[in-house]
Amino acid sequence: DIQMTQSPSSLSASVGDRVTITCRASQDIGNFLAWFQQKPGRAPKSLIYGASSLQSGVPSYFSGSGSGTDFTLTISSLQPEDFATYYCQQYKSSPHTFGQGTNVEI
Amino acid sequence: QVQLQQSGPGLVKPSQTLSVTCAISGDSVSSNSVAWNWIRQSPSRGLEWLGRTWYRSKWYYDYAVSLKGRIDINPDTSKNQLSLLLSSVTPDDSAVYYCTREDWGRGFEWGQGTLVTVSS
Repeated sequence: DIQMTQSPSSLSASVGDRVTITCRASQDIGNFLAWFQQKPGRAPKSLIYGASSLQSGVPSYFSGSGSGTDFTLTISSLQPEDFATYYCQQYKSSPHTFGQGTNVEI
Repeated sequence: QVQLQQSGPGLVKPSQTLSVTCAISGDSVSSNSVAWNWIRQSPSRGLEWLGRTWYRSKWYYDYAVSLKGRIDINPDTSKNQLSLLLSSVTPDDSAVYYCTREDWGRGFEWGQGTLVTVSS
């Protein structure tokens, strides 16, 4: 199985901050990488697919980059509604695997 | 706009079969450009991919090795929905279950989730 390692596991930030979350795959996954946002008690919401494509309806201050094994989710200016947990997922090969999550808190 | 509406019993007894349904609107379960996944989430396991199905002139299935023999994903074209069946459940199968639509050109959509508790 492909292991997905996210860092950091948690971070504290303020409104307006630039936030960067990284995800590393244990083997080459090309650009088959997605990022999700999850708030407590809610289903995950897709932000990024194909490593860098913005899901329809997602604000443009979210961006994704990377390919191969190293990927980054960037929130260029953190908004109050962005405090949540963020997950990466590879869908290059089965089983599709997730990172352990990054909790972004105030 | 694609929407996935899940339904299913919240409580299942040990050794019985868990069944969760995902009703699809805004797309067809037999679309030849997407795949349909089942994922679960629990405090102990985090997010865990269970399996998926997709249609490319015929149906294909792909299941997590850890669940093979217990899991079945059934597409129902007459009702345009997807079902997850997980047999011989134990309390370790208690989780929130999600269906998702995977579109390599448009990303992912998630159902709202179904909390299933396995308990006698």
